[in-house]
Amino acid sequence: EPEVTQTPSHQVTQMGQEVILRCVPISNHLYFYWYRQILGQKVEFLVSFYNNEISEKSEIFDDQFSVERPDGSNFTLKIRSTKLEDSAMYFCASLSGFRADSGANVLTFGAGSRLTVL
Amino acid sequence: DQQVKQNSPSLSVQEGRISILNCDYTNSMFDYFLWYKKYPAEGPTFLISISSIKDKNEDGRFTVFLNKSAKHLSLHIVPSQPGDSAVYFCAASATNAGKSTFGDGTTLTVKP
Repeated sequence: EPEVTQTPSHQVTQMGQEVILRCVPISNHLYFYWYRQILGQKVEFLVSFYNNEISEKSEIFDDQFSVERPDGSNFTLKIRSTKLEDSAMYFCASLSGFRADSGANVLTFGAGSRLTVL
Repeated sequence: DQQVKQNSPSLSVQEGRISILNCDYTNSMFDYFLWYKKYPAEGPTFLISISSIKDKNEDGRFTVFLNKSAKHLSLHIVPSQPGDSAVYFCAASATNAGKSTFGDGTTLTVKP
């Protein structure tokens, strides 16, 4: 079954450093998302990406964050200057399709990249 | 403003019994509701969904009920199995391609 692949699985960085998290979405999917989950908290939406541009972003997704799809396959999340509170599990997801029984959009998530900022 | 709430952080049931996980929402613009299951060290995986025009959707052992007037949905798992032990997230979206808003999750433990 097709998978969303994320790298690295775990990254430790110093506060103020730049971090790039990488994702390879499922090849024929068109919508891509980044979510994050701070330990023990809910999964929070960061940004959605469609047709090579941001379609929606949350208030968490400030100027320190950026996304791009540089080569048509990888989908990256960059944090320019990491803060302690950026420590979280970051999930990439792509839109699998719409359920016939509900019309709901079903996201396929990657296993996540754990970011630890020291 | 927490638009999707799962008030029970954890639930423990005996194998073979019914598990009922609850979710409340505040945004009346939500039209699509989904349940995801998450195991440790994995991303959430889709379980079942329902749209606001229905009040019930069933898929095998899993049934989702929606009470739109109460802004409440629930996931029933029957019979529960030890492999169902995971964190269950309720999620809602206003459009079928828009962002999903997740609840805090409920950790289900099914005891053999």
